Amino acid sequence: EADIYQTPRYLVIGTGKKITLECSQTMGHDKMYWYQQDPGMELHLIHYSYGVNSTEKGDLSSESTVSRIRTEHFPLTLESARPSHTSQYLCASSETGSVGNTIYFGEGSWLTVV
Amino acid sequence: DAKTTQPPSMDCAEGRAANLPCNHSTISGNEYVYWYRQIHSQGPQYIIHGLKNNETNEMASLIITEDRKSSTLILPHATLRDTAVYYCIVRITSGTYKYIFGTGTRLKVLA
Repeated sequence: EADIYQTPRYLVIGTGKKITLECSQTMGHDKMYWYQQDPGMELHLIHYSYGVNSTEKGDLSSESTVSRIRTEHFPLTLESARPSHTSQYLCASSETGSVGNTIYFGEGSWLTVV
Repeated sequence: DAKTTQPPSMDCAEGRAANLPCNHSTISGNEYVYWYRQIHSQGPQYIIHGLKNNETNEMASLIITEDRKSSTLILPHATLRDTAVYYCIVRITSGTYKYIFGTGTRLKVLA
């Protein structure tokens, strides 16, 4: 079982608000990821990190930002939320050196911007 | 980067084996084939992975062709709870360890 946690699970906020989605994993994994997924659509990688102080943009452009100050923590921030940011955000992690480098996902955070 | 092709949807009768195909004709020699599934509104769940040998675990079996250009995920006795979107992924090994998810196969298990 994967030990990766996301909060909040569901959030409705107003346009222009700042929001941080939290993601924590207790497996000591060095790599962490954020995916964005609209209902019924594909997952798109928006950010990833190889380790502490490492962050990279993914394949889908996103106005969100991430930070990786601690191994276990990979928060995602939207400085000024807009309705177009309404989506599900999925956090994941994996470990370098594990056979096949399996990736484990959290339960997701559903964000609605009104 | 190797890409995968899966049928968009499949139906399977409850109790029967569900065989989900995946084509990955451009796979490289050191790339693994992974299968995940996503039940509505949840994060994707790891099922199984393999390199070139067939693999089996408590959830499923993975059959990889000898040329590694395709694979099949087998759920031996599908239940209603197996209704989900199933993703076949080839692990990209360009140094980024990125996982690219396609559209997957929407499996519906029928009572």
